[in-house]
Amino acid sequence: RKEVEQDPGPFNVPEGATVAFNCTYSNSASQSFFWYRQDCRKEPKLLMSVYSSGNEDGRFTAQLNRASQYISLLIRDSKLSDSATYLCVVTLARQLTFGSGTQLTVLP
Amino acid sequence: EAGVAQSPRYKIIEKRQSVAFWCNPISGHATLYWYQQILGQGPKLLIQFQNNGVVDDSQLPKDRFSAERLKGVDSTLKIQPAKLEDSAVYLCASSPETGNEKLFFGSGTQLSVL
Repeated sequence: RKEVEQDPGPFNVPEGATVAFNCTYSNSASQSFFWYRQDCRKEPKLLMSVYSSGNEDGRFTAQLNRASQYISLLIRDSKLSDSATYLCVVTLARQLTFGSGTQLTVLP
Repeated sequence: EAGVAQSPRYKIIEKRQSVAFWCNPISGHATLYWYQQILGQGPKLLIQFQNNGVVDDSQLPKDRFSAERLKGVDSTLKIQPAKLEDSAVYLCASSPETGNEKLFFGSGTQLSVL
């Protein structure tokens, strides 16, 4: 079983739609969780941290479920500019492990 | 603020040749990482430095890969000899300190081994 697993997609959604991605992790001792965004042929960039209580940043909401060992990212009112690959990141003992990413395309 | 600088941007070599990549992290960032990203996959950590010391190199193929960060600032990653499966984007990242997991990535070096 992979340490961090994501549905690769692709997710193709119309503008304005709401879309959600899940990410599961195998080690229950994992400590910190993040979502990174990677545009085509670009480097990954931090999108948001994920806290146990859940957190929101504008149209983006991240949640953590430690009991089931998954994190989620919800994007409301999708924009064309949201098209990218979304990477789930899990840390344990200061080592970051990236998922393979979920590809999102927002269609006009 | 200047970001993480990497060079070259692209490199094409034949198998069994050698290649080196260079990275200059954000000024003042103590921790530097080298990642390998194969097409369609997430970044995989090769090596992590804290200042000029190695924190984690457990996934570095040491028979062919080497990295150094002699003065605790810029770093080089070398592959010798290269194999076809080394074709990937090599990403350098830095963070202010170990334990701060918010990484800043460079643009990467795209390596093609023919």
